[in-house]
Amino acid sequence: DGGITQSPKYLFRKEGQNVTLSCEQNLNHDAMYWYRQDPGQGLRLIYYSQIVNDFQKGDIAEGYSVSREKKESFPLTVTSAQKNPTAFYLCASSIVVPGHLISSEQFFGPGTRLTVL
Amino acid sequence: QQQVKQSPQSLIVQKGGISIINCAYENTAFDYFPWYQQFPGKGPALLIAIRPDVSEKKEGRFTISFNKSAKQFSLHIMDSQPGDSATYFCAATSNFGNEKLTFGTGTRLTIIP
Repeated sequence: DGGITQSPKYLFRKEGQNVTLSCEQNLNHDAMYWYRQDPGQGLRLIYYSQIVNDFQKGDIAEGYSVSREKKESFPLTVTSAQKNPTAFYLCASSIVVPGHLISSEQFFGPGTRLTVL
Repeated sequence: QQQVKQSPQSLIVQKGGISIINCAYENTAFDYFPWYQQFPGKGPALLIAIRPDVSEKKEGRFTISFNKSAKQFSLHIMDSQPGDSATYFCAATSNFGNEKLTFGTGTRLTIIP
């Protein structure tokens, strides 16, 4: 059963702590993405990766870091530098069409809701 | 910054009615316009998409209308059902869908009996 899994579903963090959100996909997709969703603001791109060992900053990368050591995995670390980390975090993946940057249809995971206490 | 403006923020429609959600964009380089549907506590899923070489695309009860000159596109849900209650996001991208997506702010749709 192919898809994208995110864990944990809910995560609580104390101020000043770094936390890592997991994202795994078995769709054999090359590209992976992290979005942040806040009420009334839609989905904002944090980081994306088109290939293993390479990733690019999105629109709101400050206070976040990622790694892409395996094709299937794209973990996101929310660092203490992120001033307002409470949000719903979504991971997505898509195929890469040869000769183009990123494919259009993105498949999303179920999300992780992060709350800072 | 590239933007996609979406309205209304929330919408209540009676069962059997037509739900209409509108989006407008500024970047004339956008050439692929998908709509995503998101149920509470879930990730979004692609619902329907259109390219600017057509003015309308229909899939079942869902239709996208596209007005290139006005830089606007809209989602119409015919015969709206309670199961359609969800948040809908329009999006846009360029290079025939091969650049990163820019999302609208979302519309929370509620279908009442």
